[in-house]
Amino acid sequence: AQKITQTQPGMFVQEKEAVTLDCTYDTSDPSYGLFWYKQPSSGEMIFLIYQGSYDQQNATEGRYSLNFQKARKSANLVISASQLGDSAMYFCAMRDPNYGGATNKLIFGTGTLLAVQP
Amino acid sequence: ETGVTQTPRHLVMGMTNKKSLKCEQHLGHNAMYWYKQSAKKPLELMFVYSLEERVENNSVPSRFSPECPNSSHLFLHLHTLQPEDSALYLCASSQAGKGTEAFFGQGTRLTVV
Repeated sequence: AQKITQTQPGMFVQEKEAVTLDCTYDTSDPSYGLFWYKQPSSGEMIFLIYQGSYDQQNATEGRYSLNFQKARKSANLVISASQLGDSAMYFCAMRDPNYGGATNKLIFGTGTLLAVQP
Repeated sequence: ETGVTQTPRHLVMGMTNKKSLKCEQHLGHNAMYWYKQSAKKPLELMFVYSLEERVENNSVPSRFSPECPNSSHLFLHLHTLQPEDSALYLCASSQAGKGTEAFFGQGTRLTVV
């Protein structure tokens, strides 16, 4: 069965420093997609970055980059130059590879609470 | 207004009440979802609608009843809920394609008393 594991319940980082949030996944399907979402205290899940299993390069979106290590089944999120507004819950998710059709059924991890300190 | 909008943002209801959660997406997507987020648990997918047809009912109790009248609107009708149903209920939408992300609303914080 597909599974997402986030082993860091909480992380602290100093403002302007980089931080890595860990994510490992488990799937036997060769085709899958990995997502990172940010959830501030307001509740909304905000899409950050996507990595396809066949993508040759690690995904990057501004200050966010995904350290994709396929053999290790890890997809860690790296946030560079942390800002106070980055304080939030961060969720790693995988598109269920066994779910076809037009929909994106996502399997989520338990999340990591990031606190950025001034 | 853009994105995915959920109303109400907060809801307190008794176990004998009937209420409905509403979700509206302004993104032209063709799939909509209900997720439940309980404390210290991963998000749980409840229902999936693709092109207004329900394609998944993830073993959700019948006290939760979804409705998708068109591709832009999704409802979750609630009746005779239990205190353990208290959670954040998130609506999402997406467009066909494996690489496309789902866009979420801000959620409805539901408390059952």
